[in-house]
Amino acid sequence: QQQVKQSPQSLIVQKGGISIINCAYENTAFDYFPWYQQFPGKGPALLIAIRPDVSEKKEGRFTISFNKSAKQFSLHIMDSQPGDSATYFCAAILDISSGSARQLTFGSGTQLTVLP
Amino acid sequence: DVKVTQSSRYLVKRTGEKVFLECVQDMDHENMFWYRQDPGLGLRLIYFSYDVKMKEKGDIPEGYSVSREKKERFSLILESASTNQTSMYLCASSFRQKLSNEQFFGPGTRLTVL
Repeated sequence: QQQVKQSPQSLIVQKGGISIINCAYENTAFDYFPWYQQFPGKGPALLIAIRPDVSEKKEGRFTISFNKSAKQFSLHIMDSQPGDSATYFCAAILDISSGSARQLTFGSGTQLTVLP
Repeated sequence: DVKVTQSSRYLVKRTGEKVFLECVQDMDHENMFWYRQDPGLGLRLIYFSYDVKMKEKGDIPEGYSVSREKKERFSLILESASTNQTSMYLCASSFRQKLSNEQFFGPGTRLTVL
């Protein structure tokens, strides 16, 4: 089953507009929520991340909003630029205290196109 | 800079062939991961390893195996490739102890099984 649901699947925004991508999770044991950005031909790369004890985190034009009670979080890209065109994945990390790797559970991805 | 390299960018194999995908990282990371990426499904974890010779199943391990004989190298093995294993395969690595456990990804191997 998909533990992190992401929408929309694709998004087209005009240059200078705001891009918004939404994610919802089910498992309340998730304790870290990163967003990854993937350009064509490249692997994903960490963009920004948030812990559930914070409602918002901003880095430049990128902001994560987090609603713990609703189990939802979203990525806002302000003043979207053509160079932001990429696939964006939300993710959640489950704290496995057994000492093994902390696994990422990814959303299904959003392909963002910013028109010039 | 962290570098994760994968042995091939594109690979074409026939049904029933044994396929090896190699991944090497140069940052002394303890954790290494193999994912497959399919449109509309995001990235799904196949196997991961948190130490040499250690491995754990991810969400979709069926039809795959892995090997980690050295810390820097993590191999994904398709014992008998099938057409439904046509996909993009991504390798990643991370430090074990860092809270965020940021994963660093390789560029991917696009595997086509005919």
